[in-house]
Amino acid sequence: SQTIHQWPATLVQPVGSPLSLECTVEGTSNPNLYWYRQAAGRGLQLLFYSVGIGQISSEVPQNLSASRPQDRQFILSSKKLLLSDSGFYLCAWSLKGNQPQHFGDGTRLSIL
Amino acid sequence: QQQVKQSPQSLIVQKGGISIINCAYENTAFDYFPWYQQFPGKGPALLIAIRPDVSEKKEGRFTISFNKSAKQFSLHIMDSQPGDSATYFCAAKWMDSSYKLIFGSGTRLLVRP
Repeated sequence: SQTIHQWPATLVQPVGSPLSLECTVEGTSNPNLYWYRQAAGRGLQLLFYSVGIGQISSEVPQNLSASRPQDRQFILSSKKLLLSDSGFYLCAWSLKGNQPQHFGDGTRLSIL
Repeated sequence: QQQVKQSPQSLIVQKGGISIINCAYENTAFDYFPWYQQFPGKGPALLIAIRPDVSEKKEGRFTISFNKSAKQFSLHIMDSQPGDSATYFCAAKWMDSSYKLIFGSGTRLLVRP
């Protein structure tokens, strides 16, 4: 069966520091991969998605970037974090086509 | 621009009661409507989903009702249990996209014993 891993589970970073969140999927090949942000008490906002290695599409302009160096690895990065980057970041995967998305357990990021 | 509106924001139900969460969408270009359940500190988990050519789908105690003409869909949880206490999100997928989900703002459900 397929599993998705995200780490770290929680992270506290100072303003202006860099960021790297990692997500890996096991048990499938060539999945679609997604990064979402969930603000407190709100729904999920799609930040990036990827249909293959090196292929990244951004949904909203922001201070973050994403990369997919390997088939089942998706990384969310920032060079300099802002206070507004605080939130709950979720990675998800799906098979190709009209298939449901499956989420990891997220990283809670707090910027001080 | 909120394209999927979810209500209520929070809901308290007694054990054994029926929990009803409603969503309305504005764009007719959606073709897939999933519901997700999220427990604190966890990612959302797919609960049940429906396509617009079906008016109702039932899986165990969970039922989606879909009204295409009114552009509304709802989640009914029958015989609600304390273990159902979680946040529920509706979502809608763009017809011309295999990936883009638009989420509602979520409903926090508390089922009292």
